[in-house]
Amino acid sequence: EVQLAESGGGLVKPGGSLRLSCAASGFTFSSYSMNWVRQAPGKGLEWVSSISSSSSHIYYADSVKGRFTISRDNAKNSLYMQMNSLRAEDTAVYYCARSGGFDIWGQGTMVTVSS
Amino acid sequence: DIVMTQTPLSSPVTLGQPASISCRSSQSLVHSDGNTYLSWLQQRPGQPPRLLIDKISNRFSGVPDRFSGSGAGTDFTLKISRVEAEDVGVYYCMQATQFPRTFGQGTKLEIK
Repeated sequence: EVQLAESGGGLVKPGGSLRLSCAASGFTFSSYSMNWVRQAPGKGLEWVSSISSSSSHIYYADSVKGRFTISRDNAKNSLYMQMNSLRAEDTAVYYCARSGGFDIWGQGTMVTVSS
Repeated sequence: DIVMTQTPLSSPVTLGQPASISCRSSQSLVHSDGNTYLSWLQQRPGQPPRLLIDKISNRFSGVPDRFSGSGAGTDFTLKISRVEAEDVGVYYCMQATQFPRTFGQGTKLEIK
């Protein structure tokens, strides 16, 4: 079964850091671009970042550029998001999604930034 | 950035009746490769989003055929031929033609 499973969320103070992971299974991870999308409580979807299959192309939303870093390890079938200098407005459920078509989504991991 | 505007934002529908959601983009979604990367996503309460349709009208695997997509350029529509109870949730259009990827505000489908 094709699956994505996020982990690494939690409660962090403003200015702190967190590293999210997304474990992929059931498909050839190295063949697909990957994405992070977030959803603040009660709000809509916001694209955060994308990475190509070989990591050669990386894109970020302006709201996270310079603070977040997307990466992947194709040998471990895993996608990551290093989140630094976190702000209250980064509080959201973070989803990983497969490919340019966003065709498979994980269940999400909650990140709460609060003092 | 491409702005995606959905109407209506809320849609009360009677079971068994049709429903329609519109999505308009601030610029053409036709990619240089000739494809139009307009997708529709469904998010049921408490669930992650799920892809329903991509490239305007291609239903994703397992999506019932009561869902259909149409449109071109900057104007797109998602139609549900006969609404069922399991269709309750929020529907989003999304463009993947250019970065940053952008979503519509979401349309909440509820049963009357």
